[in-house]
Amino acid sequence: GENVEQHPSTLSVQEGDSAVIKCTYSDSASNYFPWYKQELGKRPQLIIDIRSNVGEKKDQRIAVTLNKTAKHFSLHITETQPEDSAVYFCAAYFWGSNYQLIWGAGTKLIIKP
Amino acid sequence: DSGVTQTPKHLITATGQRVTLRCSPRSGDLSVYWYQQSLDQGLQFLIQYYNGEERAKGNILERFSAQQFPDLHSELNLSSLELGDSALYFCASSVQGAGETQYFGPGTRLLVL
Repeated sequence: GENVEQHPSTLSVQEGDSAVIKCTYSDSASNYFPWYKQELGKRPQLIIDIRSNVGEKKDQRIAVTLNKTAKHFSLHITETQPEDSAVYFCAAYFWGSNYQLIWGAGTKLIIKP
Repeated sequence: DSGVTQTPKHLITATGQRVTLRCSPRSGDLSVYWYQQSLDQGLQFLIQYYNGEERAKGNILERFSAQQFPDLHSELNLSSLELGDSALYFCASSVQGAGETQYFGPGTRLLVL
């Protein structure tokens, strides 16, 4: 069935360094890939998304890259700051799966001062 | 503020009881999603409604049911509650419900004692 694998489950980086979180998906027909950020005790919020006709998208310190051939997409955060500490979820939309957005398990990002 | 509202914010009840969680989507959104998030866990998709009709079903227990009303608000009913049902329940909404941004509500924290 449709599946999204997310790695790593926990990522600890020094403040100011870059962080990269990677997700792989199973269905080559997927065409929408959002990333959500969830701060402790808060709701998940969309931070960036990408569609399959685009290879890369940037928004200030955040970027997402998509490799359709390898079926993976990655979140890149540069110049990390303490407020980047959160759990990040990737997801992929599978057209054939009953309109479901399939979610990754999440990555806990810890920014060390 | 995403525009999605959920009530109540907190709910404490006993095993075996039944509770109803309520969600009002953003103005103009036709689709509503329900998610369960246990402590330090990922987002478990439960069910999706689109314009009053069930569109997709995830890992929803038979003890749980939901509906979307003509005014598009939705209710999630949890019955015969067990200790393991203690979790944060999120509602999300989107315009159409197919490969687009989902906006999450603040969640209802359910504690079953």
